[in-house]
Amino acid sequence: QKEVEQNSGPLSVPEGAIASLNCTYSDRGSQSFFWYRQYSGKSPELIMFIYSNGDKEDGRFTAQLNKASQYVSLLIRDSQPSDSATYLCAVNIVLGTGNQFYFGTGTSLTVIP
Amino acid sequence: GAVVSQHPSRVICKSGTSVKIECRSLDFQATTMFWYRQFPKQSLMLMATSNEGSKATYEQGVEKDKFLINHASLTLSTLTVTSAHPEDSSFYICSALDRGPTYEQYFGPGTRLTVT
Repeated sequence: QKEVEQNSGPLSVPEGAIASLNCTYSDRGSQSFFWYRQYSGKSPELIMFIYSNGDKEDGRFTAQLNKASQYVSLLIRDSQPSDSATYLCAVNIVLGTGNQFYFGTGTSLTVIP
Repeated sequence: GAVVSQHPSRVICKSGTSVKIECRSLDFQATTMFWYRQFPKQSLMLMATSNEGSKATYEQGVEKDKFLINHASLTLSTLTVTSAHPEDSSFYICSALDRGPTYEQYFGPGTRLTVT
């Protein structure tokens, strides 16, 4: 079982709709959770991080964390064509030897004008 | 957010030569930096973890003698691809760890290496 799992997609939503991206993780010791956006040919860009159960909102983005169910999601409201990208979920586990990060393989999102 | 730079952004080299890629954290000190490789339409692959002042930790299957990593200061890590071959052609991305309470990684813009 992979540490972090995401549906690879592609996920297509019409412009203005809500895009919902989901991620599950296997290690209950995971402490911090991140969503990155990666445009084709570019490096990942941090969108949001969350470390407490519940919702965290930043503009059109909302991250949701449920540690009991071991999932973290990203909602994008009022989706725009410029949101079309691959979204990477990442988790961080703080170990005695240092930090261990795990990335999902990413979900490809296409917002249709 | 924090800024991480990489240089060069693109490099083309001949087979058998060595290439050095620099990764700098511009507005914060990074005791830990990561080096990734990404092939077209594939996910990020962690190559190694670089800690300032100590030897890098390489992931399984990554040749430490081929991919030399030096993290000599809190703002600079370098990756040298030695004796490059065409199969080393890839997108190399570094990231720096912000040692705040939530440990965000900030990525550099990446270096596209083409070995001819």
